[in-house]
Amino acid sequence: KNEVEQSPQNLTAQEGEFITINCSYSVGISALHWLQQHPGGGIVSLFMLSSGKKKHGRLIATINIQEKHSSLHITASHPRDSAVYICAVRSGSEKLVFGKGTKLTVNP
Amino acid sequence: GAGVSQSPSNKVTEKGKDVELRCDPISGHTALYWYRQSLGQGLEFLIYFQGNSAPDKSGLPSDRFSAERTGGSVSTLTIQRTQQEDSAVYLCASSITGSYNYGYTFGSGTRLTVV
Repeated sequence: KNEVEQSPQNLTAQEGEFITINCSYSVGISALHWLQQHPGGGIVSLFMLSSGKKKHGRLIATINIQEKHSSLHITASHPRDSAVYICAVRSGSEKLVFGKGTKLTVNP
Repeated sequence: GAGVSQSPSNKVTEKGKDVELRCDPISGHTALYWYRQSLGQGLEFLIYFQGNSAPDKSGLPSDRFSAERTGGSVSTLTIQRTQQEDSAVYLCASSITGSYNYGYTFGSGTRLTVV
């Protein structure tokens, strides 16, 4: 079993829909990251969380430390949101442990 | 620079040859990380630098892989006697410090193909 599990693996939505991507982890963590990877491979760091909730534009990330679970929400989704979203955790060392990613496709 | 710069962006090499991948982090970022993403696989950690030293090199897959960082800035990842399984995208990231309070900035990666 991977230390970081994401669901769903693939997600297709219509423009305007509310999107939720889930991440569960099995280790104690110091921080959780949500990353976005577009075709071509470039990675952008969206959020870093250690508790609570963060919001940036149409993106919202939440984390429940007791339940070892985080969610990434996208409101009013748009085709330009199509990408792979990756959850990664830091658990006491400097390295990140990554989930396998969720491929999101938003159709116009 | 404004972002993390990696070069080359693409590299095709013959099996058995040595390759060098370069990462130029954001100025002032003391922590530097190398990750690898193989086709169809998730990202995996290779090595972490704090300044010029590498406190954690546990992710280097074999002794054919080595990395160094000089002047607390540019880092080079060297793969000797490349094998086909080394084909992957090699990503570099940097942060202000190794503390968990700081986020990462990733480079665009080097796509390595061993033929």
